[in-house]
Amino acid sequence: GENVEQHPSTLSVQEGDSAVIKCTYSDSASNYFPWYKQELGKRPQLIIDIRSNVGEKKDQRIAVTLNKTAKHFSLHITETQPEDSAVYFCAPGDNYGQNFVFGPGTRLSVLP
Amino acid sequence: DVKVTQSSRYLVKRTGEKVFLECVQDMDHENMFWYRQDPGLGLRLIYFSYDVKMKEKGDIPEGYSVSREKKERFSLILESASTNQTSMYLCASGGANSYEQYFGPGTRLTVT
Repeated sequence: GENVEQHPSTLSVQEGDSAVIKCTYSDSASNYFPWYKQELGKRPQLIIDIRSNVGEKKDQRIAVTLNKTAKHFSLHITETQPEDSAVYFCAPGDNYGQNFVFGPGTRLSVLP
Repeated sequence: DVKVTQSSRYLVKRTGEKVFLECVQDMDHENMFWYRQDPGLGLRLIYFSYDVKMKEKGDIPEGYSVSREKKERFSLILESASTNQTSMYLCASGGANSYEQYFGPGTRLTVT
């Protein structure tokens, strides 16, 4: 089955700095690469995703980059703010949403 | 707005009891999922369903069963609760041709 890892497991940055979280996966059939954000005590929510035919996608301060050859994709957050503090999960998948494996999560803390 | 609700936010049960966790979605989604979330382990898929009366095992189905008699409702059943099933349980739903998953608020189950 799919093996998904995230690095780092915890990350602390100063407000205004950038943060990068990397997700590596093993299943070459994966063709969908999302990032979910889970704030403390709340449900996970999709924040950005990318399909395998695209190398990069950006939405305001967040971006996702994909290296399908190397089987990893990364979440980039620029100009971090305290409200970016959360646990971030990657969940590479395929087969129209019926085959996802979530990574173990990365806890991001943005320090004021 | 997609709404996914779960029957309880907090539940305390005794070892050996039969436990029912219910999930309801209002978006006519074909796919529904049950995950458990434990610190450091991310979200692990227990079961999912892609249609009424259909179910597929996820990564950790042992000790659990599910029921989907109506499209909007997906139930998780612990036949005989054990202390190692103490966890946060998250339900999610998604459309047949969509990758995004919408999560419920979670049920924190404690088995004593």
